[in-house]
Amino acid sequence: GAVVSQHPSRVICKSGTSVKIECRSLDFQATTMFWYRQFPKQSLMLMATSNEGSKATYEQGVEKDKFLINHASLTLSTLTVTSAHPEDSSFYICSARDQRILNTIYFGEGSWLTVV
Amino acid sequence: AQKVTQAQTEISVVEKEDVTLDCVYETRDTTYYLFWYKQPPSGELVFLIRRNSFDEQNEISGRYSWNFQKSTSSFNFTITASQVVDSAVYFCALSNGGSGNTGKLIFGQGTTLQVKP
Repeated sequence: GAVVSQHPSRVICKSGTSVKIECRSLDFQATTMFWYRQFPKQSLMLMATSNEGSKATYEQGVEKDKFLINHASLTLSTLTVTSAHPEDSSFYICSARDQRILNTIYFGEGSWLTVV
Repeated sequence: AQKVTQAQTEISVVEKEDVTLDCVYETRDTTYYLFWYKQPPSGELVFLIRRNSFDEQNEISGRYSWNFQKSTSSFNFTITASQVVDSAVYFCALSNGGSGNTGKLIFGQGTTLQVKP
């Protein structure tokens, strides 16, 4: 079964509203999680690194005020897309690093966001 | 800088044919990891393999095999006797390793494989 759970798997929201996506490690603690975005027929691009107990590190070109990341516990990171617009419609997927085995990365199932 | 190139955007084969998906990478790290993932239309990433930079042995897993060549910075993936269920997008990815491991993956552009019956 999945070791990293992402919720919701699909969400439709109205333009201007905010939507939160959760990424949860189920049977291990993850001090570091990663958020990727994938537009249709494109590759996965890293948006930010989520660090438990500290601020996220954003990749160049990603608006930190628009994509709020909170990693308040060792098993949960959340990505909030604020004031969503249709161009934010995308597939968002998280990964978590198992700190017991630092080189082991597990991906969530991904979340399809549609902004109408 | 790290980079992964999958030059084949789309490949179409007929069932039972063998197919090789190419992956070329760039990195300055001496320790790194290479990955292959399968992404079906539903979107989830299915892990296929991870290889560290010190292990150049080729690997075979059922119909899948991987050829890692550090001399050419390539990590190619071959599916033998392809099946319709192999149709998906395949991604090659790279991350740094050793004490500097961050867990960030740099993905290639992906190769869409269509296997026709």
